[in-house]
Amino acid sequence: RKEVEQDPGPFNVPEGATVAFNCTYSNSASQSFFWYRQDCRKEPKLLMSVYSSGNEDGRFTAQLNRASQYISLLIRDSKLSDSATYLCVVNITFTGAGSYQLTFGKGTKLSVIP
Amino acid sequence: NAGVTQTPKFRILKIGQSMTLQCTQDMNHNYMYWYRQDPGMGLKLIYYSVGAGITDKGEVPNGYNVSRSTTEDFPLRLELAAPSQTSVYFCASKYMNTEAFFGQGTRLTVV
Repeated sequence: RKEVEQDPGPFNVPEGATVAFNCTYSNSASQSFFWYRQDCRKEPKLLMSVYSSGNEDGRFTAQLNRASQYISLLIRDSKLSDSATYLCVVNITFTGAGSYQLTFGKGTKLSVIP
Repeated sequence: NAGVTQTPKFRILKIGQSMTLQCTQDMNHNYMYWYRQDPGMGLKLIYYSVGAGITDKGEVPNGYNVSRSTTEDFPLRLELAAPSQTSVYFCASKYMNTEAFFGQGTRLTVV
């Protein structure tokens, strides 16, 4: 089983739609969680961190369920500029090594259509 | 604050040539990473470092080498370039379990 799994996509949605991305992770030692956005031929950029209490940034809402090892991202009122690939990212702690390793999902491509 | 800086942005190599991709960060991050991304694919970890003097292999290290003599710099060396190394290379850095910052990438073509 892959450490971080995302919806395979692609998602093609009309402007104004609400779209949800899901992500599951397999390692219970995971410490911190993020959603990144990657535009075509560009570097990944942090969209938002994900907290256990859930957090919102404008049209974006992220949720974390540690018991189910599940992360979600909700985008409301989709804009054309939201078209990108969304990456689920998990920091995993390896005890003893004091090491925090980043693990990326393969990403879900979103196309918002006029 | 420049963040993570990669050079060069583009490079064309001939088969068998060697080159070094440079990566520098000015955020005093302890973790640094090199990834490659082939068209339409996800990120694959080549090498990473948890601090100066400490490096380790990722999932696709063959054909590459790294060094980390300072906190700031994490160069990636390609020896005997092959067409299979044609890709976009991203360097990233972070502090402990916080978010990672990426460089703008190096687009490498081996012909």
